[in-house]
Amino acid sequence: KNEVEQSPQNLTAQEGEFITINCSYSVGISALHWLQQHPGGGIVSLFMLSSGKKKHGRLIATINIQEKHSSLHITASHPRDSAVYICAVRWRNFNKFYFGSGTKLNVKP
Amino acid sequence: KAGVTQTPRYLIKTRGQQVTLSCSPISGHRSVSWYQQTPGQGLQFLFEYFSETQRNKGNFPGRFSGRQFSNSRSEMNVSTLELGDSALYLCASSFRLTGKSPFFGPGTRLTVL
Repeated sequence: KNEVEQSPQNLTAQEGEFITINCSYSVGISALHWLQQHPGGGIVSLFMLSSGKKKHGRLIATINIQEKHSSLHITASHPRDSAVYICAVRWRNFNKFYFGSGTKLNVKP
Repeated sequence: KAGVTQTPRYLIKTRGQQVTLSCSPISGHRSVSWYQQTPGQGLQFLFEYFSETQRNKGNFPGRFSGRQFSNSRSEMNVSTLELGDSALYLCASSFRLTGKSPFFGPGTRLTVL
């Protein structure tokens, strides 16, 4: 059983579409991270959440602690958003990280 | 500020050998964590260091070890390499142990033949 489940695994969108990636987790957490990984391997940390909602440019991340669920939204998607998006949680009890399997996003022009 | 650097970027080893990977965190960052990424298992947490002490450890065998120096630079070592150790090894640094988004390095791609 995975502690972190992401959906969908693959997502193809047309430029300009609104995109949502979901993350559900089963453990009590101290924080949830959304990561972006481009081809070639480089990872960028997009958001760290412990409650509520954060926004950065066209990216919005929300978290519902009671429901153990987070979403990453991309408004007005662009081909440069094409990447793998990974949800990671820091488990409160043992302070360890668990990762989702990632969502591969392809935005077509 | 320079980003997180990892050396070497690429490495080819044979089974049974050992390997040491290096990570230099962003200046002022005292927390360094290590991750393994494979196509089959995805990203997995290896261990985390803060102020030269290992604070957290993932579920990896004892062949995987690490350390952190007084300047916050960190090394990880894998002994008796197995084919399954072929992976991208990423390190990340942050100012504090918890509560801050980590900055990731470019990774070291290890191939075990």
